[in-house]
Amino acid sequence: GAVVSQHPSWVICKSGTSVKIECRSLDFQATTMFWYRQFPKQSLMLMATSNEGSKATYEQGVEKDKFLINHASLTLSTLTVTSAHPEDSSFYICSADPGLAFSFDRTDTQYFGPGTRLTVL
Amino acid sequence: QKEVEQNSGPLSVPEGAIASLNCTYSDRGSQSFFWYRQYSGKSPELIMSIYSNGDKEDGRFTAQLNKASQYVSLLIRDSQPSDSATYLCAVPASGGYNKLIFGAGTRLAVHP
Repeated sequence: GAVVSQHPSWVICKSGTSVKIECRSLDFQATTMFWYRQFPKQSLMLMATSNEGSKATYEQGVEKDKFLINHASLTLSTLTVTSAHPEDSSFYICSADPGLAFSFDRTDTQYFGPGTRLTVL
Repeated sequence: QKEVEQNSGPLSVPEGAIASLNCTYSDRGSQSFFWYRQYSGKSPELIMSIYSNGDKEDGRFTAQLNKASQYVSLLIRDSQPSDSATYLCAVPASGGYNKLIFGAGTRLAVHP
């Protein structure tokens, strides 16, 4: 249980284009999903918390107009990197909290998707 | 002071030895603690959670929690080269924001 998928797993795009990344919880509903970014040899950096049916909460320093997050259903959140530039090249990872869906978990456990590697040329 | 601190390593242990990974946290009110494993180029994978003081064992892994001293550790018995990865400690953020605060991670290298 607690499987999270991401699509695409990798993407290469030209500078100035937009890229959409999907995050899906496959066997549970997630009212809360999280988006992280990780540069090579660095630690995870939380970008935003995505709540179903409401606006995302962005961490300090993350541009909400550049990183658009939509959490339209209890199993899907999307991150759109708008007008991507080479400095946006990174490993983007989502996670989801199943809440009390699994009896052995509490409401603060996160399960990660496999990540999306974005390269902006 | 960082909220969650880990020694970045690398921690190098021989195959078959016990690897001991440590994590300290600053919020005395923390109730949940998590260990994630992250292989190079991959996303984190949850390996252990612990909520009560003491030890929790799962296969070759043992999590140890000491709330009074504000530290949580992960022991890996009979370490294997396949255990070589970065281990992340995580604690829920204070203030009820339903998010985790991750340590920077400890890189473990198990050599044959």
